[in-house]
Amino acid sequence: ELKVEQNPLFLSMQEGKNYTIYCNYSTTSDRLYWYRQDPGKSLESLFVLLSNGAVKQEGRLMASLDTKARLSTLHITAAVHDLSATYFCAVDDSGNKLVFGAGTILRVKS
Amino acid sequence: EAQVTQNPRYLITVTGKKLTVTCSQNMNHEYMSWYRQDPGLGLRQIYYSMNVEATDKGDVPEGYKVSRKEKRNFPLILESPSPNQTSLYFCASSPLGGTSSYEQYFGPGTRLTVT
Repeated sequence: ELKVEQNPLFLSMQEGKNYTIYCNYSTTSDRLYWYRQDPGKSLESLFVLLSNGAVKQEGRLMASLDTKARLSTLHITAAVHDLSATYFCAVDDSGNKLVFGAGTILRVKS
Repeated sequence: EAQVTQNPRYLITVTGKKLTVTCSQNMNHEYMSWYRQDPGLGLRQIYYSMNVEATDKGDVPEGYKVSRKEKRNFPLILESPSPNQTSLYFCASSPLGGTSSYEQYFGPGTRLTVT
């Protein structure tokens, strides 16, 4: 059974600082997704990572995938308040479903 | 505009009163799925459908039913809701096959409270 673990679950950081959210998963998969959720809102797709070594960047966020280590990271560079949200990683389990991590609540303080 | 829609967005009901949450997508996607979101648990899949008349259980199907009679619609039915089904529900859809990344697109969510 595929399990997905995110850490940290809560992250409070100062504006301008860098930090990384980790997503570990338990069985082989080569599709991993990062989503953002604002309070009371739906999930917004951030990154789709489809192969080992994949790296995607958008603004202050960069995501990478290491399928051998079963690890993805979401790196935040020079955080700004607008990045405050909950971030989920989700791993494709044989094409039939996504298995989600518990989410990381990010609060960026000015 | 390409989108997944859900109705209603908010619903308060009583134990045992049957309800249906509708989901519709206009992207001609084969795959559709229902998730529930509970604090600290992320999203968990309830049911999914790979195409018309093809549905299957996810991780937490107990107490729910679905149907897929048309490609665009995938309603979630709670025949006898109970308080432990109080949750935030999301419908999602995805293309399958070819060069698809299988990325799922989510609806706006339905917040259900069962008293």
